[in-house]
Amino acid sequence: GEDVEQSLFLSVREGDSSVINCTYTDSSSTYLYWYKQEPGAGLQLLTYIFSNMDMKQDQRLTVLLNKKDKHLSLRIADTQTGDSAIYFCAEGAVSGGYNKLIFGAGTRLAVHP
Amino acid sequence: ETGVTQTPRHLVMGMTNKKSLKCEQHLGHNAMYWYKQSAKKPLELMFVYNFKEQTENNSVPSRFSPECPNSSHLFLHLHTLQPEDSALYLCASSQDRGGGNIQYFGAGTRLSVL
Repeated sequence: GEDVEQSLFLSVREGDSSVINCTYTDSSSTYLYWYKQEPGAGLQLLTYIFSNMDMKQDQRLTVLLNKKDKHLSLRIADTQTGDSAIYFCAEGAVSGGYNKLIFGAGTRLAVHP
Repeated sequence: ETGVTQTPRHLVMGMTNKKSLKCEQHLGHNAMYWYKQSAKKPLELMFVYNFKEQTENNSVPSRFSPECPNSSHLFLHLHTLQPEDSALYLCASSQDRGGGNIQYFGAGTRLSVL
């Protein structure tokens, strides 16, 4: 079956790096995604990685993919208070001939001074 | 601005009311989605429309009725809701293509059922 798991909370100090981890089950997923949700807002696509890549870097964000262990991580360098939000991991899946996303429950990141 | 607009942003309704949520996407996408986000629960996919055809209905109660008149607009008609239906309802759209499905979300409608 399809399942995506994440830890629920992460607390970091401003300026430190944050690492949010995720495990997924569908080995056929072509893309894996990270979304960010700020209070009172919808989900914002942060970044995504193609399944044949091990790593993708985009400014302060680094995504690591271990396909063998079905493990995905998001590293945020120099974490700022504006990074406080809920971060959702999602895997792409195919159902009934169309594409859909399977989301984790989200990791709430709290950044403190 | 993500290109997906949802109205209203907030809605309070009684259990006997009928209301509709509206979603409009300005991205030229061919697929649209309704999700329900409740406190302490994962995001739940409710409905999917692909090329205006409903391709998924995740066992959603009939008091929720979707409508997709064209590829840019999606509605969720609500009637005789229950208090447990109170949640954030999110709309998303994507350009569905083989292997990839980047979904862009609206800001959501916060629904409270009294």
